[in-house]
Amino acid sequence: GAGVSQTPSNKVTEKGKYVELRCDPISGHTALYWYRQSLGQGPEFLIYFQGTGAADDSGLPNDRFFAVRPEGSVSTLKIQRTERGDSAVYLCASSLMAGNTEAFFGQGTRLTVV
Amino acid sequence: DQQVKQNSPSLSVQEGRISILNCDYTNSMFDYFLWYKKYPAEGPTFLISISSIKDKNEDGRFTVFLNKSAKHLSLHIVPSQPGDSAVYFCAASEMQNQGGKLIFGQGTELSVKP
Repeated sequence: GAGVSQTPSNKVTEKGKYVELRCDPISGHTALYWYRQSLGQGPEFLIYFQGTGAADDSGLPNDRFFAVRPEGSVSTLKIQRTERGDSAVYLCASSLMAGNTEAFFGQGTRLTVV
Repeated sequence: DQQVKQNSPSLSVQEGRISILNCDYTNSMFDYFLWYKKYPAEGPTFLISISSIKDKNEDGRFTVFLNKSAKHLSLHIVPSQPGDSAVYFCAASEMQNQGGKLIFGQGTELSVKP
């Protein structure tokens, strides 16, 4: 497809489990961003990649969260030892390059930790 | 601390009238401001933006005004249509220095009544 694709759309997991969330950016977009949106709030920045490297991971809440983008395209957000407070919609966005003015968002992955 | 604030969680407007959505920010280093629109179960979609060197940007029915001295921006939609009903997020960025990382407000839910 032409847009940013995120899988799965929904994920329910038990507290303490490990989850991976996947993002396929728009082809040719070198910058990729992860955000988290809790109920009633705006998206909150987690991390962004320019190419394969994490350029800014200042938004990751703690060391249970990790993201990779090994080939500069698909990215995976990994959450270890999930907690109920991790429940949120995780949004991915991509842009042509970092600092480019328009980022395109995927539909998000709704993560529920029970 | 909330660097970008949308103080009205909701707004209801009659079809054909003007909708005005407001946003305040605290960081004087922000140099680019964007408005995103979000429907349920979809990712945010870009609507309109403005650079800090301008005070107005217009695109069809949508106009964004920026008052840098007041650290305030607003989105005007005229005439409002029922299809405009969605959650609107204001976002700000130090676009070049921070690689396009966006700081979002909490969102305003707009309801346009026929």
